[in-house]
Amino acid sequence: EIVLTQSPDFQSVTLKEKVTITCRASQNIGTSLHWYQQRPDQSPKLLIKYVSQSFSGVPSRFSGSGSGTDFTLTINSLEAEDVATYFCHQSTSLPSFGQGTKLEIK
Amino acid sequence: QVQLVQSGAEVKKPGASVKISCKASGYTFSTYAFHWVRQAPGQRLEWMGWINADNGITKTSQNFQGRVTITRDKSASTTYMELRSLRSEDRGVYYCARVGVSSSSLDHWGQGTLVTVSS
Repeated sequence: EIVLTQSPDFQSVTLKEKVTITCRASQNIGTSLHWYQQRPDQSPKLLIKYVSQSFSGVPSRFSGSGSGTDFTLTINSLEAEDVATYFCHQSTSLPSFGQGTKLEIK
Repeated sequence: QVQLVQSGAEVKKPGASVKISCKASGYTFSTYAFHWVRQAPGQRLEWMGWINADNGITKTSQNFQGRVTITRDKSASTTYMELRSLRSEDRGVYYCARVGVSSSSLDHWGQGTLVTVSS
């Protein structure tokens, strides 16, 4: 089973700050890595697919990068609506998810 | 627009079974696959299995020791997930999610179904 480890688990941020979340896979997953946002009491929403492809309607301040085992989600200029938990997801033959990174406003 | 609407919250006793439905609308049902994912309190999202909505082929996680069955009814544009022999640790929110076209990302999610297991 491929384990995804995100860092940090929690981050307190200020509005307009640049935020970086990392996701490390326990083995090479190529580009089969996706990012989701889950606001409180809502379902997850797809942000980025295949490392760096933005999903339809996602604001341009969200971007992704990486390959192999190390991946990054970047939020440029954080907005209040970005307060949420962010998950990475690998979609090889046995999918799995990261433990989540919770963002809150300072 | 694409919508996945799940059945309502369930309260079950230990040892019982639960069957959750996920009705799709806004697109051609059989064109896509579905995954089922669990979110237990304080735990990471856990993949349960998936189903090809066209041919009904499924794959389920070994972590559930054969307790999970995923089915679909094309005529009703609905996929179902049944979990048997419920334990207290099965408490959580269960989601269906659609796999994107030519993709393996989960591009639309249901609203979630809370399952409580209590004697």
